[in-house]
Amino acid sequence: KNQVEQSPQSLIILEGKNCTLQCNYTVSPFSNLRWYKQDTGRGPVSLTIMTFSENTKSNGRYTATLDADTKQSSLHITASQLSDSASYICVVRRDNAGNMLTFGGGTRLMVKP
Amino acid sequence: DTAVSQTPKYLVTQMGNDKSIKCEQNLGHDTMYWYKQDSKKFLKIMFSYNNKELIINETVPNRFSPKSPDKAHLNLHINSLELGDSAVYFCASSQRMTGGIAEQYFGPGTRLTVT
Repeated sequence: KNQVEQSPQSLIILEGKNCTLQCNYTVSPFSNLRWYKQDTGRGPVSLTIMTFSENTKSNGRYTATLDADTKQSSLHITASQLSDSASYICVVRRDNAGNMLTFGGGTRLMVKP
Repeated sequence: DTAVSQTPKYLVTQMGNDKSIKCEQNLGHDTMYWYKQDSKKFLKIMFSYNNKELIINETVPNRFSPKSPDKAHLNLHINSLELGDSAVYFCASSQRMTGGIAEQYFGPGTRLTVT
């Protein structure tokens, strides 16, 4: 079954600290993996997209990694800010599936002052 | 300028009613989508549509139907609403690209509550 699982479900950190969110997937055949940020009451916004050949990709303080062999990805947030408080969703596109995406349940991050 | 917009933002209605949610994108994209986000926050694709094909997630009841008057609009019509239809519905759009790396842009969501 094509699934995307994320951990932890929720996380609380202090402002300025780093954190890493995990994503495991069983989606096959794999095409690409995305990380989205979803603020409360808003639609998801893309942070990164990685294809099979990419191991790491950065977007400002966000760095995503991908290990296509173990089917794992992580999102590392450096020097967290209060505005990083949101849900972070891992999304995988299956090859030959058009634009249909499989979403993880997200990690809810809260950054406290 | 809003890239993907939805109306209404909130919709409260009774069981058995028929309702529509509107979506418009001004990005010039050729593909639009509808997603449902349930209470557990999982986003699930309902439809993917461009001017050539409609792809329907097989789990979507036929009470749900997308209607596209033109490339910039994809409305979601729901017949005979049920309590389980209560959720947040997101519209999204993308431009088809080779390699399947098309970025999807999401609207702000419509929170539907069926009473």
